[in-house]
Amino acid sequence: QLVLTQSPSASASLGASVNLTCTLSSGHSSYTIVWHQQQAEKGPRYLMKVHVDGSHSKADGVPDRFSGSSSGAERYLTISSLQSEDEADYYCQTWGTGVWVFGGGTKLTVL
Amino acid sequence: QVTLRESGPALVKPTQTLTLTCTFSGFSLNTNGMCVTWVRQPPGKALEWLALVDWEDDKYYNTSLRTRLTISKDTFKNQVVLTVTDMDPVDTATYYCARVMMAAIDYWGQGTLVTVSS
Repeated sequence: QLVLTQSPSASASLGASVNLTCTLSSGHSSYTIVWHQQQAEKGPRYLMKVHVDGSHSKADGVPDRFSGSSSGAERYLTISSLQSEDEADYYCQTWGTGVWVFGGGTKLTVL
Repeated sequence: QVTLRESGPALVKPTQTLTLTCTFSGFSLNTNGMCVTWVRQPPGKALEWLALVDWEDDKYYNTSLRTRLTISKDTFKNQVVLTVTDMDPVDTATYYCARVMMAAIDYWGQGTLVTVSS
């Protein structure tokens, strides 16, 4: 079964860097995932696609501070030089044959 | 410019059928690889995928909700409609439609809050 696992919460200081992790279930380690950001009281926003080889493609307007990478079944979203507006929920998402799946989301707090 | 907008009732009663419409612009559902999907989010909870229709009019559903969901498209009107039967208070959520390009969600609507209450 295709499942994405995310830590429920993460925190980092203003100006620091943070890595958010999305883990693919067994047997699905080659899958591409997508990261979405959801700021408080807003709808989600597509950030980027991350592939198994670590390459990523960002949506227009996503700051250079946001990057993606990959290692095995893990997909990462790295945010550097954290800003207050980066405080949000971050969801990873993938797809299989006839199914689309979301992770449970990570709530990022900027201290 | 790609835009999607959800419309439908803000309040439905238990056991009623919910009908939501997604009106989109800036792309065509006739394009190879193009899809529109529905996702919901109960208050304070995570996103949950519901259903998807693709450019060939193939339809896919969340297996746990399959018997209650119907998705359809009207390519000429640039609309996708989702119906959810037998609504229950646990179905209270913000419902989003989104564009899916080559299987990845890349544009979202603003969402519409639907409350189920008698």
